Amino acid sequence: AQKVTQAQTEISVVEKEDVTLDCVYETRDTTYYLFWYKQPPSGELVFLIRRNSFDEQNEISGRYSWNFQKSTSSFNFTITASQVVDSAVYFCALSGEGGSEKLVFGKGTKLTVNP
Amino acid sequence: DARVTQTPRHKVTEMGQEVTMRCQPILGHNTVFWYRQTMMQGLELLAYFRNRAPLDDSGMPKDRFSAEMPDATLATLKIQPSEPRDSAVYFCASGLVRGKLETQYFGPGTRLLVL
Repeated sequence: AQKVTQAQTEISVVEKEDVTLDCVYETRDTTYYLFWYKQPPSGELVFLIRRNSFDEQNEISGRYSWNFQKSTSSFNFTITASQVVDSAVYFCALSGEGGSEKLVFGKGTKLTVNP
Repeated sequence: DARVTQTPRHKVTEMGQEVTMRCQPILGHNTVFWYRQTMMQGLELLAYFRNRAPLDDSGMPKDRFSAEMPDATLATLKIQPSEPRDSAVYFCASGLVRGKLETQYFGPGTRLLVL
């Protein structure tokens, strides 16, 4: 069965610090998809990235970067030079069995960036 | 900027009352999902539709919940009768599935409180 573990329940940093949010997944599928979503205090879920299992290249988007390592079943998310606006709950998600659209979400990591 | 819309954004009701939540998916998307978010359970998939046909509603309490798509621009989730344990944030998401998993885009959610 699919499983996503975000072991860090809450993280607190000071502005401009770098922070890494961990995501470890379990699946027997050879083809699967991984996602990160951001949920700011306003409550909506904002899509950040989608990655398929065949693409292990790391990705950078501005201050955001993602490190996908199949060997350790991890898809970690790093925010460089964090800002107060980065404060949110971040969810990692994995496609359902067989690559289905029934996403399985982790419990989320609450990030607080203090000024 | 296409977005999923949901109404109402907030709903307070008394136990036993019927609750109807509405969702307008992004134009052109063929798959619509209903999720529920609670502190205890996190994000759970309740049901989803492809081309307006229900594909899976195994996550939904059948006795009181029902989900429909009267047309391609409207999805509804009904609870009758509502109970205090139904208090949660209900998210609708939509995506375009064309043989492989694509990204799901979430609406702002309906925050439901059942007294």
